[in-house]
Amino acid sequence: DAGITQSPRHKVTETGTPVTLRCHQTENHRYMYWYRQDPGHGLRLIHYSYGVKDTDKGEVSDGYSVSRSKTEDFLLTLESATSSQTSVYFCAIRTGGDETQYFGPGTRLLVL
Amino acid sequence: DAKTTQPPSMDCAEGRAANLPCNHSTISGNEYVYWYRQIHSQGPQYIIHGLKNNETNEMASLIITEDRKSSTLILPHATLRDTAVYYCIVFSQGGSEKLVFGKGTKLTVNP
Repeated sequence: DAGITQSPRHKVTETGTPVTLRCHQTENHRYMYWYRQDPGHGLRLIHYSYGVKDTDKGEVSDGYSVSRSKTEDFLLTLESATSSQTSVYFCAIRTGGDETQYFGPGTRLLVL
Repeated sequence: DAKTTQPPSMDCAEGRAANLPCNHSTISGNEYVYWYRQIHSQGPQYIIHGLKNNETNEMASLIITEDRKSSTLILPHATLRDTAVYYCIVFSQGGSEKLVFGKGTKLTVNP
C-alpha cells in the first residue's frame, strides 16, 4: 500500500463550510497527487506536488487549494464546500524509480 | 481523454485465466502501458507495467504486441477477489504528471 493513509475516511459537511483532507505517506516520496472520482468521470487530477512547498494545478483545481509544508503530508482544502464537491477523493504518491503511482484508500465526502 | 480502448465488461470462471485486452494504437515510443484495478470503493491498485517486453509479477502477466498497439493483461488463475474494474493506461515517465483513467473493463469472476 506504499504507506499512504488518508484522513478522515468519511466526512459529511454543509455547503459553505471549509474542509481539509489529509494525505500522509511514510516513505518520503517527492511526488504526491490529489484526484477525485465521480460516476461517469473516472479519476480526475485536482492538484499535485513535486516537493515541499512546490505544487501545481490539475484539470479540476477550481475551488480547491493544497499545501505541503513537509514531505510526508499533502493537504487538500475546500475553502467553501459546495454540493458539486461531493465525491471520493484519492491521494497518490509516485515512486522515484519506476515512477509508478500508488493510491491511498480514499476519503468519501458528502456536502449537504 | 483516455488513449486506450477496453471492452466494458468480461466474465471469467474461477480458477481459469482471465485475459483482458487493451488497444492503444496511438501509443508513442516513450509511453509505458500501466494496468491498475479498482475493487468496489477502494483506491486503484497498481498491477503491472511495461514498455515493450512482456512482464510478469506475482499478480499478473502483461503481453505487449510487437507493434505496441495493443496489450493483454493475464490473471493466470482468477479468484472471486479479482472481480474489479481493470484500467489500462498509457503514461510517459518523466513527462505528463497525471494518469488518465478511461472507463476500464469490469471483470466479473464467477464461481
